[in-house]
Amino acid sequence: DAKTTQPNSMESNEEEPVHLPCNHSTISGTDYIHWYRQLPSQGPEYVIHGLTSNVNNRMASLAIAEDRKSSTLILHRATLRDAAVYYCILRDDYSGAGSYQLTFGKGTKLSVIP
Amino acid sequence: EPEVTQTPSHQVTQMGQEVILRCVPISNHLYFYWYRQILGQKVEFLVSFYNNEISEKSEIFDDQFSVERPDGSNFTLKIRSTKLEDSAMYFCASSEVLHSPDRQNEAFFGQGTRLTVV
Repeated sequence: DAKTTQPNSMESNEEEPVHLPCNHSTISGTDYIHWYRQLPSQGPEYVIHGLTSNVNNRMASLAIAEDRKSSTLILHRATLRDAAVYYCILRDDYSGAGSYQLTFGKGTKLSVIP
Repeated sequence: EPEVTQTPSHQVTQMGQEVILRCVPISNHLYFYWYRQILGQKVEFLVSFYNNEISEKSEIFDDQFSVERPDGSNFTLKIRSTKLEDSAMYFCASSEVLHSPDRQNEAFFGQGTRLTVV
């Protein structure tokens, strides 16, 4: 599986934007970039995913570099409820021959300061 | 909003005993998964299940583990002879589709079952 690299931890002030980076220099052409998060004592939760173009949904935005070797998850206004571990995961969702599993790394622990 | 439900939320068992962890996936989903997370460690994939058979399993999913979809709604993980190192949070997940770039294929996770083996 292609690997991702994320900072271990980040801090943000409440109501300010947060940019969570992810490096994936060995990404293949059929790998989608998925972001999940895990709030304390809960199961992982889907945030967003994309292939090449930037993506927006009600939770966040995903900015993907033109060469696809990095991406950034953007929370537009951090709230206390956004304090969680954020995982950047690559998965082949396109070729039909990829693995079904999500391979979680250590992620980035986001702390939100009131 | 539909959700994956898991029971029990916490299970304590003696080493060597069998346990069954239960999950009710989202009703129109076709793909089911089990993951586990040992305290303080990464979330690890165990197994995926589709069309009444295992699609993929990790090296963790050895002969002491089995999965079953006994009826149209439940999805279970059985651990035959529990060991101390099986103590972990076990998460069930389901998804509607998999390899479909044009469709939402997110995995929905349950709240987990905390298994403590003593």
